[in-house]
Amino acid sequence: EVQLVESGGGLVQPGGSLRLSCAASGFTFSSYSMNWVRQAPGKGLEWVSYISSSSSTIYYADSVKGRFTISRDNAKNSLYLQMNSLRDEDTAVYYCARPIGYSNHYYFDYWGQGTLVTVSS
Amino acid sequence: SYVLTQPPSVSVAPGKTARITCGGNNIGSKSVHWYQQKPGQAPVLVIYYDSDRPSGIPERFSGSNSGNTATLTISRVEAGDEADYYCQVWDSSSDHGVFGGGTKLTVL
Repeated sequence: EVQLVESGGGLVQPGGSLRLSCAASGFTFSSYSMNWVRQAPGKGLEWVSYISSSSSTIYYADSVKGRFTISRDNAKNSLYLQMNSLRDEDTAVYYCARPIGYSNHYYFDYWGQGTLVTVSS
Repeated sequence: SYVLTQPPSVSVAPGKTARITCGGNNIGSKSVHWYQQKPGQAPVLVIYYDSDRPSGIPERFSGSNSGNTATLTISRVEAGDEADYYCQVWDSSSDHGVFGGGTKLTVL
């Protein structure tokens, strides 16, 4: 059974940093690219970042580019999101999601339960 | 950047058919995927590649995509279908995932 379990969320002050983790199991993690998707309270889904299976290709949403860094450790079956210079508008539930499908037509077949990040003073 | 437009809400009586649209420039040339999200839960894939259903998703869920509009159709709507629904594409020009704003389906 595929499982994605996020952790690392919490309360942080504006300008602060936080590192999210996503532990994957039930599939060959090293064979799949991965993504982060977030959802602000009461709002819709927003795609955040993509990393290829070998970490050779990385993409970011414009709203987080230069502040967030996606990475992975295939030996530990883990995905990460380092979030720096956090802003109030980064407050959201952060999901890790597994993309699948052929290139440029990805969809997300498995999602974690999400971890809440609250940016507030 | 590519924009997907959904109606904020759709209401339907039980047993009737709900149609949720997703508009985008020449969206018919892209693959559209749909997710259902109930309160406090992670999204669940209900349609992929415009009209394919994952295993476990009822046949009542179907999709279509042509021109500038993709549509998620839910036949014989049940109370348990009440949820938020999101369309999604992968924008190859920017290498970004894109979600629609979401549609709240209310079963009357």
